Amino acid sequence: QSALTQPASVSGSPGQSITISCTGTSSDVGSYNFVSWYQQHPGKAPKLLIYEVSKRPSGVSDRFSGSKSGNTASLTISGLQSEDEADYYCCSYAGSSIHYVFGTGTKVTVL
Amino acid sequence: EVQLVESGGDLVQPGGSLRLSCAASGFTFSSYRMHWVRQAPGKGLVWVSRIHNDGSLTVYADSVKGRFTISRDNAKNALYLQMNSLRAEDTAIYYCVRGTTGTGGWFDPWGQGTLVTVSS
Repeated sequence: QSALTQPASVSGSPGQSITISCTGTSSDVGSYNFVSWYQQHPGKAPKLLIYEVSKRPSGVSDRFSGSKSGNTASLTISGLQSEDEADYYCCSYAGSSIHYVFGTGTKVTVL
Repeated sequence: EVQLVESGGDLVQPGGSLRLSCAASGFTFSSYRMHWVRQAPGKGLVWVSRIHNDGSLTVYADSVKGRFTISRDNAKNALYLQMNSLRAEDTAIYYCVRGTTGTGGWFDPWGQGTLVTVSS
């Protein structure tokens, strides 16, 4: 099972909005609404940002939002801030054989 | 506060074994599925294994199936990963992660991780 495909890097200026894509297949992203997103700062453990495609855990800023269309999920960061500079990973449930597959990861740079 | 603390990471020779532990606190451990996720140095996240809340069902990534065993002790609020026949490609930070109480596909929170290095 290959990893979900994410752009290697995305950048934006403070205050701007950016979107990170996460492309899978009809066996994972396209079949289940169990897409989640994680933020990882250097040397730190990942942190859940979005679950079930578009739900935000309590305590996560509403500047983070998720969506899905077909086999591609997306994470949008609005009002980009310096502390948003980090690596971002998507993840999808992929059925009872593969179980879970993560994305390749995207490095977000705030210019 | 929900907390997961891993331990047991070490330098081990190829073919060797290691047992990782994860101490959980701040939540009803026995209600949650638990996972191990790993991250090789400078690389992305890879799901490794999951165990149901009562230990009745365990599943593994193909890359570790037959070599790794996940287990838990709900009386001790502890999760384990027994790793045998270790290979260089198993070198990674191993994270203990809380899953959901039922069907679901997200991981929250994550422990700080423990480093496993497989090298001669």
